[in-house]
Amino acid sequence: EPEVTQTPSHQVTQMGQEVILRCVPISNHLYFYWYRQILGQKVEFLVSFYNNEISEKSEIFDDQFSVERPDGSNFTLKIRSTKLEDSAMYFCASRMAWDRGQHFGDGTRLSIL
Amino acid sequence: DAKTTQPNSMESNEEEPVHLPCNHSTISGTDYIHWYRQLPSQGPEYVIHGLTSNVNNRMASLAIAEDRKSSTLILHRATLRDAAVYYCIPLGTGNMLTFGGGTRLMVKP
Repeated sequence: EPEVTQTPSHQVTQMGQEVILRCVPISNHLYFYWYRQILGQKVEFLVSFYNNEISEKSEIFDDQFSVERPDGSNFTLKIRSTKLEDSAMYFCASRMAWDRGQHFGDGTRLSIL
Repeated sequence: DAKTTQPNSMESNEEEPVHLPCNHSTISGTDYIHWYRQLPSQGPEYVIHGLTSNVNNRMASLAIAEDRKSSTLILHRATLRDAAVYYCIPLGTGNMLTFGGGTRLMVKP
């Protein structure tokens, strides 16, 4: 069964550094998402992306965050200048159409030192 | 967003059916009812979704009340692998899933 893949599984970065988290959504899916989960807390929506542009974003997704779909397969989340509070699991998700379920990757654990 | 109410936790015996309830009395007419689960140390996993009619797939069944103010996720034979937190999430044309507290399902061997 096709799945969403995320790399790396764990990223350790110094505070203030830029980090890029990578995702390969399911190939015929059209909607793409990033969520995050701080340890012990709920999964939180960050951003959704459709037709090569951001369709919705949350308050968390400030100017330090950006997303890109540089080619036909990858979907990336960039954090420009990481803070300690960015430490979390980051999940990528995709779905085929607006009335279908979202399929999640296994996540990238981001640790900011 | 529609507010949902789910029990904090439920227990089941292995190989028995489990019925996980959800109240969503403020759901709008065009919202689909989605169910996801999160196993320990894993990402959320799509389970099932529906609009008005009951739905079945290989993982579960979804029973939706006629007035759509509640729904029940049915696992026909619980296994140890089904131990997870289950989330009921109404989702309209907007994109984002809003995860609430969910129901922690414990499965006893």
